[in-house]
Amino acid sequence: GQNIDQPTEMTATEGAIVQINCTYQTSGFNGLFWYQQHAGEAPTFLSYNVLDGLEEKGRFSSFLSRSKGYSYLLLKELQMKDSASYLCAVRDSGGYQKVTFGTGTKLQVIP
Amino acid sequence: DTAVSQTPKYLVTQMGNDKSIKCEQNLGHDTMYWYKQDSKKFLKIMFSYNNKELIINETVPNRFSPKSPDKAHLNLHINSLELGDSAVYFCASSQGHGYEQYFGPGTRLTVT
Repeated sequence: GQNIDQPTEMTATEGAIVQINCTYQTSGFNGLFWYQQHAGEAPTFLSYNVLDGLEEKGRFSSFLSRSKGYSYLLLKELQMKDSASYLCAVRDSGGYQKVTFGTGTKLQVIP
Repeated sequence: DTAVSQTPKYLVTQMGNDKSIKCEQNLGHDTMYWYKQDSKKFLKIMFSYNNKELIINETVPNRFSPKSPDKAHLNLHINSLELGDSAVYFCASSQGHGYEQYFGPGTRLTVT
C-alpha cells in the first residue's frame, strides 16, 4: 500500500517562491504526480516524475528523490490565482499501476 | 468541447433513495475512474475501468455499483443513500491505467 504525507496548509506572499513537500512510503513505486485543485473545481494535472531529478514547466517545477521517498513542487513568482490545493499522488508498480492521492496541501497566497 | 462531463452537477436527495451519476469522456481514453472527495478534501479512489473491464474496486459498500456500457461512459448507481454518502464525486479518465488523469467537474451529492 501507499502512505503519503503532505503539509495540510501553507501561506506564501505574492511574488515569492514556495516549496510544497510530499513524502511517501510505498510497497512499489512507479511515478509521482502533482495536481492542482482550486476550491469548488476539479483537480488538474501539473506534473509527473518517475526518474530522480527536477522537471521544470514554466513557473512550476517538481523534484523527485526515489531513494528518499520524497518529492516537492516548487512554485515561483507566486500569483494570487495560485491559491489552491496541491495534491501529490503516487503510482504503484503493480500490474494495474494504482494511483493513490495524498490529502493535499492548501496554499494561500497573500498580497 | 468538454473533455470529461458529469451529470448532474448537484444532487440533493433523501436518505434511502436510489440515484445515478453519469460520466462521459470524449478524449478517446481507455480508462475511467470514480473518486469520492469528502469534506476534508481527501480524494479517494472507488472504482476504475480499463476497456470496460473493472480493475479497481476499493472497499466501497455494495450499495455503489458502477457500470461501463462502453469505453466513453462510466456511470455510478447508488442504492439506499445514507448521510455519509454526502460528498463530491469525481469522474476521471486516462489513456492507460494509472497515467495522467483528466477529471470531470464533479457531482456534489447531498443526502438529507
